Amino acid sequence: ETGVTQTPRHLVMGMTNKKSLKCEQHLGHNAMYWYKQSAKKPLELMFVYSLEERVENNSVPSRFSPECPNSSHLFLHLHTLQPEDSALYLCASSQDSTGLNYEQYFGPGTRLTVT
Amino acid sequence: DAKTTQPPSMDCAEGRAANLPCNHSTISGNEYVYWYRQIHSQGPQYIIHGLKNNETNEMASLIITEDRKSSTLILPHATLRDTAVYYCIVRDFNQGGKLIFGQGTELSVKP
Repeated sequence: ETGVTQTPRHLVMGMTNKKSLKCEQHLGHNAMYWYKQSAKKPLELMFVYSLEERVENNSVPSRFSPECPNSSHLFLHLHTLQPEDSALYLCASSQDSTGLNYEQYFGPGTRLTVT
Repeated sequence: DAKTTQPPSMDCAEGRAANLPCNHSTISGNEYVYWYRQIHSQGPQYIIHGLKNNETNEMASLIITEDRKSSTLILPHATLRDTAVYYCIVRDFNQGGKLIFGQGTELSVKP
């Protein structure tokens, strides 16, 4: 138990569906992250939020839309996805997004399958 | 951020020490060495990090060479639950550097 929870753990959606992934951290951290991990590939950073402001967007397609309503919650809204978007989506948090307090704590991930 | 080089896979006998090497020959003075691991189908787990001194915590020890061009993560008494992919990452804390995950080393602990 890392203090970072993600729901749902598994999601199957069609290409025309709209769904949302949820992440919650119980660590009092100020920064939150979304990563994508496709099969046999390294983790790819998608978005970084610091104090509820988006500070990084790694050229992610607009069909992925993040939302950070407060420092404890992070969402990833999904719409009109493609089959190649099937992956493990991981959320993480850290005390800061820069500086020394940067150890990131990861949730268990959401396994997404796009059909 | 500097790149790291790790062997793709290693085996270790249960109960023995697992020594995982990492080369980071282009590391700069402001870059820390971080280690994470990822057990199959789980999120990565932070293990340890260091700048130039050796570090130890309840999970592992990190040995960094004097020239800082390489490091070794040591799991002193490996168990079957230590089977995972281990990632060595360097990060520049002055520039808010991201954690860039490579392919890591797949450690298999065998009975």
